Amino acid sequence: KQEVTQIPAALSVPEGENLVLNCSFTDSAIYNLQWFRQDPGKGLTSLLLIQSSQREQTSGRLNASLDKSSGRSTLYIAASQPGDSATYLCAPSWGNTPLVFGKGTRLSVIA
Amino acid sequence: NAGVTQTPKFQVLKTGQSMTLQCAQDMNHNSMYWYRQDPGMGLRLIYYSASEGTTDKGEVPNGYNVSRLNKREFSLRLESAAPSQTSVYFCASLPVTARADTQYFGPGTRLTVL
Repeated sequence: KQEVTQIPAALSVPEGENLVLNCSFTDSAIYNLQWFRQDPGKGLTSLLLIQSSQREQTSGRLNASLDKSSGRSTLYIAASQPGDSATYLCAPSWGNTPLVFGKGTRLSVIA
Repeated sequence: NAGVTQTPKFQVLKTGQSMTLQCAQDMNHNSMYWYRQDPGMGLRLIYYSASEGTTDKGEVPNGYNVSRLNKREFSLRLESAAPSQTSVYFCASLPVTARADTQYFGPGTRLTVL
């Protein structure tokens, strides 16, 4: 059974800091990995999808990296803002099987 | 284009009652999924439908049934609700497969079973 671990479970930072969220997975034979954002009481919104052949994917202040061989991905958020406060989840895909989600990192950015 | 819609948004049931959670997507996606989300447990897959006419069990299928009514609609039924089924339920869809596509989520249904 594939397992996905996200560290830390919660993180509180002052506004303006750069930060890194970590995701690790047990089976490195992934096809791609997605990072999602979830606001309280809301559904999930996809932020970035990084293919197994890619090492990085960027969207604005967000940068996702993938080290497939070591089973790790990181989400880097530059110049954090209070509006970035949310839970961030990673979800690798192993092909035509459903995504497996980590439990998420709850981020609070303090103004 | 409404994306993935779910009804109802909130529901309170008594133990033993039944209900059906509705999900619809207007993006012509092949695959649809039902998840439940509980504090400290993350998102867990209940059932999924890789294509119209097929359904498969996920990680936590006990106590649930599903119907892929057509390509647009995928419903989740609780035949005899139990307090352990108190949760937030999310429906999601994918264009074809998880290989290269982004999964889209509905806003969720908050269910409380008393």
